[in-house]
Amino acid sequence: KAGVTQTPRYLIKTRGQQVTLSCSPISGHRSVSWYQQTPGQGLQFLFEYFSETQRNKGNFPGRFSGRQFSNSRSEMNVSTLELGDSALYLCASSLDSGTQYFGPGTRLLVL
Amino acid sequence: DQQVKQNSPSLSVQEGRISILNCDYTNSMFDYFLWYKKYPAEGPTFLISISSIKDKNEDGRFTVFLNKSAKHLSLHIVPSQPGDSAVYFCAALGGGSNYKLTFGKGTLLTVNP
Repeated sequence: KAGVTQTPRYLIKTRGQQVTLSCSPISGHRSVSWYQQTPGQGLQFLFEYFSETQRNKGNFPGRFSGRQFSNSRSEMNVSTLELGDSALYLCASSLDSGTQYFGPGTRLLVL
Repeated sequence: DQQVKQNSPSLSVQEGRISILNCDYTNSMFDYFLWYKKYPAEGPTFLISISSIKDKNEDGRFTVFLNKSAKHLSLHIVPSQPGDSAVYFCAALGGGSNYKLTFGKGTLLTVNP
């Protein structure tokens, strides 16, 4: 079974721009979660979607948003980028609750 | 408030010996615990998990122990191999949400040949 895939793998943007990241979960997995990893804060939960509905949300500003499509694929959007948004963005999928399996991540650099 | 803590930022062991990575948690509502291994610029790879109804789970060279009364879990790797060198994250589910992993800050394990 193919694993979680994320595109793009690397991205460079400038302050004020917006960015959209994509995640395709493991086939059959309906839950998709997003995490941000930075050296100072570690792995922080952004939000989780199940059957196109956001079930849980972390403590991030409204500039961070997401959605899930009927095929369980998910996108994450960050508007008005700030330097501090530079991070590794990780997507994870699971059947419902329980063990989450991670993709390789998207490395975002904001200049 | 850090609900999952890995107090050792790094650990160095010799090849063939046992590696013991520790993790403490504060939220008694956590009921499922996982260990992930991570290389730089890659996503975490799931290693092993344990439910709060158990106190031990074993998978090959990896064993996780859970002490609920102490709110402590540990990952044992025996024997350690150089390829095990990576950052290991402890994570917890539950605590009001079964959909959000709460991670520790990670422990960098170095296995020396």
